Amino acid sequence: DADVTQTPRNRITKTGKRIMLECSQTKGHDRMYWYRQDPGLGLRLIYYSFDVKDINKGEISDGYSVSRQAQAKFSLSLESAIPNQTALYFCATSVTDVYTGELFFGEGSRLTVL
Amino acid sequence: KQEVTQIPAALSVPEGENLVLNCSFTDSAIYNLQWFRQDPGKGLTSLLLIQSSQREQTSGRLNASLDKSSGRSTLYIAASQPGDSATYLCAVLSISSGSARQLTFGSGTQLTVLP
Repeated sequence: DADVTQTPRNRITKTGKRIMLECSQTKGHDRMYWYRQDPGLGLRLIYYSFDVKDINKGEISDGYSVSRQAQAKFSLSLESAIPNQTALYFCATSVTDVYTGELFFGEGSRLTVL
Repeated sequence: KQEVTQIPAALSVPEGENLVLNCSFTDSAIYNLQWFRQDPGKGLTSLLLIQSSQREQTSGRLNASLDKSSGRSTLYIAASQPGDSATYLCAVLSISSGSARQLTFGSGTQLTVLP
């Protein structure tokens, strides 16, 4: 089983629908992140959480919200999906600050908003 | 704002060649630089992490170098194999990101090694 699991792996939805992407990890890491990847733009940080009581906005948080339900679970929500949120979304974890530690990524959730 | 560029966007080489992937960044005030590999339909896997005080890191057939003053890093792959085919991304942790510790990613180089 993967250490960082994302569900669903693929989702097609319509404009205006509410969507939740879920991430769970078995690595025991405190720090969790949500990124989106668009062709030609690399990965951009949406939200990050350093522990259960800590939530922080990243570079592109508008239109998104998150919930850290437990140390092992970090969910990303799109309250009212729009077509420009079509992208590949990645959850990642790290045991320490990225200053010294590496990031561990899930396999991604491909979201298409029609 | 830190910007990270990877050129070329795609590269195709015959098996056995040694090759170099390039990464450039605009702000030299960094903590570290990381190289990742992304396979189709998969997440990213960390390959090498170079701290700002280091000049290079090696792992097997991979060697990454860092020249902070010129804002450049290279990933050298020796004796390339078809299994090396993937997209390679570099990411920089900038001092200016402060407590956010945000990585800035390049858009990647898609490498194809032909048998």
